[in-house]
Amino acid sequence: GQNIDQPTEMTATEGAIVQINCTYQTSGFNGLFWYQQHAGEAPTFLSYNVLDGLEEKGRFSSFLSRSKGYSYLLLKELQMKDSASYLCAVRDLRNSGYALNFGKGTSLLVTP
Amino acid sequence: EAGVVQSPRYKIIEKKQPVAFWCNPISGHNTLYWYLQNLGQGPELLIRYENEEAVDDSQLPKDRFSAERLKGVDSTLKIQPAELGDSAVYLCASSLTTGGEQYFGPGTRLTVT
Repeated sequence: GQNIDQPTEMTATEGAIVQINCTYQTSGFNGLFWYQQHAGEAPTFLSYNVLDGLEEKGRFSSFLSRSKGYSYLLLKELQMKDSASYLCAVRDLRNSGYALNFGKGTSLLVTP
Repeated sequence: EAGVVQSPRYKIIEKKQPVAFWCNPISGHNTLYWYLQNLGQGPELLIRYENEEAVDDSQLPKDRFSAERLKGVDSTLKIQPAELGDSAVYLCASSLTTGGEQYFGPGTRLTVT
């Protein structure tokens, strides 16, 4: 994921809101995905954006701006169980087909 | 509905030994992916299957890695011989269709000593 950038670590307080940013560069953009991965577990799907705008799903929302190559994942009412790595992934049909190109992930720590 | 199943969950081998990982995708999912995930990194694609055909294996180190999905259902990924640098988590994922949401298995954590 050398063309996908996201912060390495973030810390937030239980009950607060946190925004995890992701920037990317592609020539054949075909969707941006956010996955959650707890330590030692499989990544689980959170959200998918292919058009500009905000997608809301419960406590989690994801935003996309294709012209800026930018997305963010917004987590509201943080809970301790939200401590995990959050992976931004982009599908680039021109360069890698239907496989996902993942960023390195953002490790989120939720503190009491 | 059962998720993606992988075995073994953990494997420790000495360098130069062979090793194999097995994946059973979600029933009915035609597309199967093998990813490699190093510590602190995101998953990286090794190979993608559409049914029994490997349609994207450009990132698979073919000198030592091989994979098969003979009947278009479960799949095996093999490394022979293993090297120290192969220590990583090997993730299998499947999707109903090409481009569909990918569901990941728990992975096989390989340690090469």
